[in-house]
Amino acid sequence: DAGVTQSPTHLIKTRGQHVTLRCSPISGHKSVSWYQQVLGQGPQFIFQYYEKEERGRGNFPDRFSARQFPNYSSELNVNALLLGDSALYLCASSPRQIQGADTQYFGPGTRLTVL
Amino acid sequence: GESVGLHLPTLSVQEGDNSIINCAYSNSASDYFIWYKQESGKGPQFIIDIRSNMDKRQGQRVTVLLNKTVKHLSLQIAATQPGDSAVYFCAEDSGGYNKLIFGAGTRLAVHP
Repeated sequence: DAGVTQSPTHLIKTRGQHVTLRCSPISGHKSVSWYQQVLGQGPQFIFQYYEKEERGRGNFPDRFSARQFPNYSSELNVNALLLGDSALYLCASSPRQIQGADTQYFGPGTRLTVL
Repeated sequence: GESVGLHLPTLSVQEGDNSIINCAYSNSASDYFIWYKQESGKGPQFIIDIRSNMDKRQGQRVTVLLNKTVKHLSLQIAATQPGDSAVYFCAEDSGGYNKLIFGAGTRLAVHP
């Protein structure tokens, strides 16, 4: 079975531009979460979607937005890019959203570089 | 606030030895913890998890111990192999709903 897939693998943008990152969850998984991982640090939670609705949001500015489609794939959008947005963006999927959590499986990430 | 941290940023071990990676968490209400392994250029890979109603859980060559009294989590790797070299993260689910809080990570270096 295919794992979580993300596209593109690498991306270079300039300040002020916007970017769209894509994620396809493991087949049958309905929950998708997004994380930002700055070099040398652990991932930081950005968004969580379940059944196409936003269920959680981390401490990120409104320049960050996301959505989930009927097939449970997801997009993360970042507007007005800043140098500090350079990071590895990770998508994770899990079967459900339940109290007490569900195991999340991560994709390989999209490496975003902002110049 | 909520946080998950690690005691040792770098751990060097000899091949064949056992490795122990430690982690402290601050949210006493957390009830789900996960260990991930991340190799260079890759996403985190699930290793093992444990819920707060357990003290110990074993997998293949790995054991996770949870001490809720002192809010401490550890990952034990038996007979460490060169392929175990990576950064290891503990993560805490903040109140459920798939929002993970990660620590900074511990780099495990295995020497032949």
